[in-house]
Amino acid sequence: QKEVEQDPGPLSVPEGAIVSLNCTYSNSAFQYFMWYRQYSRKGPELLMYTYSSGNKEDGRFTAQVDKSSKYISLFIRDSQPSDSATYLCAMSSMIKAAGNKLTFGGGTRVLVKP
Amino acid sequence: DADVTQTPRNRITKTGKRIMLECSQTKGHDRMYWYRQDPGLGLQLIYYSFDVKDINKGEISDGYSVSRQAQAKFSLSLESAIPNQTALYFCATSDSGPYANEQFFGPGTRLTVL
Repeated sequence: QKEVEQDPGPLSVPEGAIVSLNCTYSNSAFQYFMWYRQYSRKGPELLMYTYSSGNKEDGRFTAQVDKSSKYISLFIRDSQPSDSATYLCAMSSMIKAAGNKLTFGGGTRVLVKP
Repeated sequence: DADVTQTPRNRITKTGKRIMLECSQTKGHDRMYWYRQDPGLGLQLIYYSFDVKDINKGEISDGYSVSRQAQAKFSLSLESAIPNQTALYFCATSDSGPYANEQFFGPGTRLTVL
């Protein structure tokens, strides 16, 4: 079983809809949670960064972390065709020996149709 | 100009050949990383370096070696390429301290081993 599970999609939604993405994980040591967006033929870019449990909002994006359920989510409101990309969740622990290694989910491909 | 650059962007080679992928950064970060990305598997860490004299193996280092020539340069070598090393390779950088988990990725190198 992978440490971080993410539905590969593709997830197709009409423009203006809410996109809901999530990841589950098994390592209770994870305390830092990130969402990266990756456009085709590009490197991942950091979208959201949260520490421990709770919510974080940035414009149309909301990240939620539920450590008790080992579950994180990303919501995109008022989705736009430009949001079409692959979204990767990533996590790390505070353990120094881990070298702030990020453990990634496999990514969910999102397609927002005009 | 891009903060993290990778060369080459695409490379096709034959089994048994030695290949070097190069990464340069202008972000002034101490930490640099090499990942490979395979469809559906997210990104897997190959090697990481906290500074010029500190290089560590990641989760899939077999068949790879690295060289940190300077703070800004980190090269990945495949000593004898094999077909299952066909993948997308990404270099990333991060600061140290509280922002160490925020990694910035280059545009990637698409490597095909025939």
